[in-house]
Amino acid sequence: EVQLVESGGGLVQPGGSLRLSCEASGFTVSSNYMSWVRQAPGKGLEWVSVTYSGGSTYYADSVKGRFTISRDNPKNTVHLQMNSLRAEDTAVYYCVVVYFDAFDIWGQGTMVIVSS
Amino acid sequence: QSALTQPASVSGSPGQSITISCTGISSDVGSYSLVSWYQQYPGKAPKLIIYEDSKRPSGVSNRFSGSKSGNTASLTISGLQTEDEADYYCCSSAGIHWVFGGGTKLTVL
Repeated sequence: EVQLVESGGGLVQPGGSLRLSCEASGFTVSSNYMSWVRQAPGKGLEWVSVTYSGGSTYYADSVKGRFTISRDNPKNTVHLQMNSLRAEDTAVYYCVVVYFDAFDIWGQGTMVIVSS
Repeated sequence: QSALTQPASVSGSPGQSITISCTGISSDVGSYSLVSWYQQYPGKAPKLIIYEDSKRPSGVSNRFSGSKSGNTASLTISGLQTEDEADYYCCSSAGIHWVFGGGTKLTVL
């Protein structure tokens, strides 16, 4: 069964850092496009970042220079390193597999709260 | 990267059909981009229901259909059922970025 399990969310102060992890099972992350999508409380979905199987990475303007997406292929895991966090980064962060330019398989999400 | 425009809410009665529109700028929907649609229940992760403008993933009911014309994409749900009551989001790839619509709350009366 294909499954994504996110972890690493929590409460962090503004300006702080947090590292999210997404452990995959049932498929290989190294062969797939992997992305992060977030959803602020009561708000809509926002694409955050993507890593292509070839290694290229891309980011939304709102997180560029602060967030870094990476893969740990031996552990079949994708990470999102989030630095210089702001209140507006508060959201549920979903790890997603991308197929045919669409967000096909979603994790259950992990909550990040940026507050003093 | 402005969000795509969706109506905030739509409603319909069981058995009826409804259509949710998704309007984008020329660099998103309307260009050579692919539109996808997602269904989300409260407190749950979104679920892909349409990809590549009009294709349905395996297991998604054929009551859901997608189309695109010019700068507007549309999701039609026919034969409305109470379990269709959810939030719906469109999404367009814009090159190496994706842009979501603001979401539409579907109420089945």
